[in-house]
Amino acid sequence: AQSVTQLDSQVPVFEEAPVELRCNYSSSVSVYLFWYVQYPNQGLQLLLKYLSGSTLVESINGFEAEFNKSQTSFHLRKPSVHISDTAEYFCAVLSNTGKLIFGQGTTLQVKP
Amino acid sequence: GAGVSQSPSNKVTEKGKDVELRCDPISGHTALYWYRQSLGQGLEFLIYFQGNSAPDKSGLPSDRFSAERTGGSVSTLTIQRTQQEDSAVYLCASSFGTGTYEQYFGPGTRLTVT
Repeated sequence: AQSVTQLDSQVPVFEEAPVELRCNYSSSVSVYLFWYVQYPNQGLQLLLKYLSGSTLVESINGFEAEFNKSQTSFHLRKPSVHISDTAEYFCAVLSNTGKLIFGQGTTLQVKP
Repeated sequence: GAGVSQSPSNKVTEKGKDVELRCDPISGHTALYWYRQSLGQGLEFLIYFQGNSAPDKSGLPSDRFSAERTGGSVSTLTIQRTQQEDSAVYLCASSFGTGTYEQYFGPGTRLTVT
């Protein structure tokens, strides 16, 4: 069965510091991975995705994630965070039936 | 263009009552998904539709939960005889098709069972 583990429930970080949100997956089928973000009082938005090709994928707002097959990981990184990045971040894997299987989420708290 | 819309945005109901939650997908999207977000369980898949049929209902927690989709568009999630553990945010998403197409999420319906 496919599953996703987000190792940190909360990550506090100061503004302009780098951050890494960890995600590990378990899958015996082709792997398609996603990061979604949920800003306070808003819906889920797709941040970035890995479907195939380059293992390093980037978002338009400076986040990047690297698919690592040997470590079954898809960690999300940003070299310098802003207050506006405060949100909950969800890692997900696409099942072979098309549904998304989410991790438990990581709350990123950016402090001034 | 318009995104996925859900109604009502908030619903408070008494234990034992039935509730209906509505989802309007993005026009032209053939796939529609229901998920539930709760404190104890995180984000869970409930059911998805391809057109009007539901190939995967595996996430529905009990037979009190049902869903339908008519005309390949609007979907309704019905919870009968609500229980307190049904309290959660119910999210709907739609996509052009199943597979690797992006799923676009609605704002959700917050259900509180008292």
